[in-house]
Amino acid sequence: AQSVSQHNHHVILSEAASLELGCNYSYGGTVNLFWYVQYPGQHLQLLLKYFSGDPLVKGIKGFEAEFIKSKFSFNLRKPSVQWSDTAEYFCASRSYNTDKLIFGTGTRLQVFP
Amino acid sequence: DSGVTQTPKHLITATGQRVTLRCSPRSGDLSVYWYQQSLDQGLQFLIQYYNGEERAKGNILERFSAQQFPDLHSELNLSSLELGDSALYFCASSASPGSSYNEQFFGPGTRLTVL
Repeated sequence: AQSVSQHNHHVILSEAASLELGCNYSYGGTVNLFWYVQYPGQHLQLLLKYFSGDPLVKGIKGFEAEFIKSKFSFNLRKPSVQWSDTAEYFCASRSYNTDKLIFGTGTRLQVFP
Repeated sequence: DSGVTQTPKHLITATGQRVTLRCSPRSGDLSVYWYQQSLDQGLQFLIQYYNGEERAKGNILERFSAQQFPDLHSELNLSSLELGDSALYFCASSASPGSSYNEQFFGPGTRLTVL
């Protein structure tokens, strides 16, 4: 079955530190990949998405992700985090035969001033 | 604000009871998805409706059912509730299924607590 893995469950950083959150997917065919963010008490918001083309995807709030097909990875990066980036981050893959999203377990990011 | 609305925000009920969660998709979106977010299972897809018809089913229990009405709003019915059903239930909507560029927009969720 298709799956998405996020290896970092909890990440703690100081403001201005660089961020990289890992995401690996299992499906070897054409993939649609997403990163969502969930701020405390809020709904899921789309940070960025990859469908095809340039493997380096830029999203909102200074986030970017790189699709590396050979590694089945779609890691999220930000060069300098802010306290306001404290949230839970979910990587997701669209199911190859339906529209459902398959989510990773999420990474909780805490940024301290 | 994603444009997807869900009511109620919070629901507290007892085991064995039945509840209904409501979702209104973004204007123009025909597809509605339900997801459950719990501590032990994470975010799991439950079911999808497109223009009133069931399109895909995930790990949805037989005690749960859903429907999409002609005005495109959707309801998720949870019956014979158990403690383990306590979770955050999200609704999402998208314009059209099957498109490679399909993006889902999520609502604020309904937090269900079963006591």
